[in-house]
Amino acid sequence: KNQVEQSPQSLIILEGKNCTLQCNYTVSPFSNLRWYKQDTGRGPVSLTIMTFSENTKSNGRYTATLDADTKQSSLHITASQLSDSASYICVVSARYGQNFVFGPGTRLSVLP
Amino acid sequence: GAVVSQHPSRVICKSGTSVKIECRSLDFQATTMFWYRQFPKQSLMLMATSNEGSKATYEQGVEKDKFLINHASLTLSTLTVTSAHPEDSSVYICSPSGGAGEQYFGPGTRLTVT
Repeated sequence: KNQVEQSPQSLIILEGKNCTLQCNYTVSPFSNLRWYKQDTGRGPVSLTIMTFSENTKSNGRYTATLDADTKQSSLHITASQLSDSASYICVVSARYGQNFVFGPGTRLSVLP
Repeated sequence: GAVVSQHPSRVICKSGTSVKIECRSLDFQATTMFWYRQFPKQSLMLMATSNEGSKATYEQGVEKDKFLINHASLTLSTLTVTSAHPEDSSVYICSPSGGAGEQYFGPGTRLTVT
């Protein structure tokens, strides 16, 4: 069964600190993995997209890593800001079709 | 990324009435449209998938006669919640996708049924 798990479920950090969110998946055959940021009541916004051959991809203060062998990905946020408070969703796409499997998300709260 | 709009952004309606939600992909041709709903503090749940000009395919447990989806063009899709009930209160999010597997999300429509 294609599944995506994320940890932690929620995280609270102080402004300026770094944090890392985890994503494990069992989707096969793998096509790509995306990280989205979703503010409360809004649609998800894409942060990074990685294919099988990519190990890391950055978007400003966001850096995603992918280990296709262990089927794990992480999203590292550097120098967190209050505006980083949101849910971060890992979405894995299977090859040969538009089958997007969503993780449950990690709820990040950045406090001043 | 593509620009996706939804209208209305928020709607409050009485139980038993119908609500139509529009999703437009302003600069992107959506050969496939996904409709999701999201309850508070939960992840997105796929409701249905539609290809332009074809009938939508609904996920298990989603009533096709209650959630009417029209995907008449590559830039417009509508979701109509018929005979809405309080349990239908949710955020509804459209997600257009192109032939290369790219996927974008609308900003969502918050539906509150009183």
